[in-house]
Amino acid sequence: DGGITQSPKYLFRKEGQNVTLSCEQNLNHDAMYWYRQDPGQGLRLIYYSQIVNDFQKGDIAEGYSVSREKKESFPLTVTSAQKNPTAFYLCASTGDRGYEQYFGPGTRLTVT
Amino acid sequence: RKEVEQDPGPFNVPEGATVAFNCTYSNSASQSFFWYRQDCRKEPKLLMSVYSSGNEDGRFTAQLNRASQYISLLIRDSKLSDSATYLCVVNMDPISNFGNEKLTFGTGTRLTIIP
Repeated sequence: DGGITQSPKYLFRKEGQNVTLSCEQNLNHDAMYWYRQDPGQGLRLIYYSQIVNDFQKGDIAEGYSVSREKKESFPLTVTSAQKNPTAFYLCASTGDRGYEQYFGPGTRLTVT
Repeated sequence: RKEVEQDPGPFNVPEGATVAFNCTYSNSASQSFFWYRQDCRKEPKLLMSVYSSGNEDGRFTAQLNRASQYISLLIRDSKLSDSATYLCVVNMDPISNFGNEKLTFGTGTRLTIIP
């Protein structure tokens, strides 16, 4: 079945460690996005990529890094520089319908 | 002023009732508008796009008022399964390119349908 997968669903890390969240899609979508969601707040854009080997900072890119070496994959690294990394991280992609963003199931990251 | 503003609720509504909520947006040049539904601890899913002329999908009706810069969602004959958080989503980029959708999300309106 086509879709977006994110793993793991729950991730626990100690403060000071970098952690990489995976996002894979088999929808043949060009554009992919990373958001974080905090309680009581809307989704906030971290990074997005329109095409392989290209990506742009979103509204809250500090402390994060991404790569887009393959069309299907858009991993997000949460670095130790991110002050408040505990959040629900959502990956999304946009395909041939243009505007609709399809979301993965998300990864809940807890840093202690 | 928030770019996209919603009443967070929660709204508790009896089953079968009609419920409506609005969302306001700050940028008059916004191009496209959506309602997404998000169940507890799940990812958002597109409920419906919102067109200038208004549009209906079964029990759901969405409307856009550009003059007052708000969109609305109406749910008729509400079901228990309608309980969720409804996210108002706006593309505020006046020059939006295909596949370059920078969307702005509201914080969501939480709806609970009561038996």
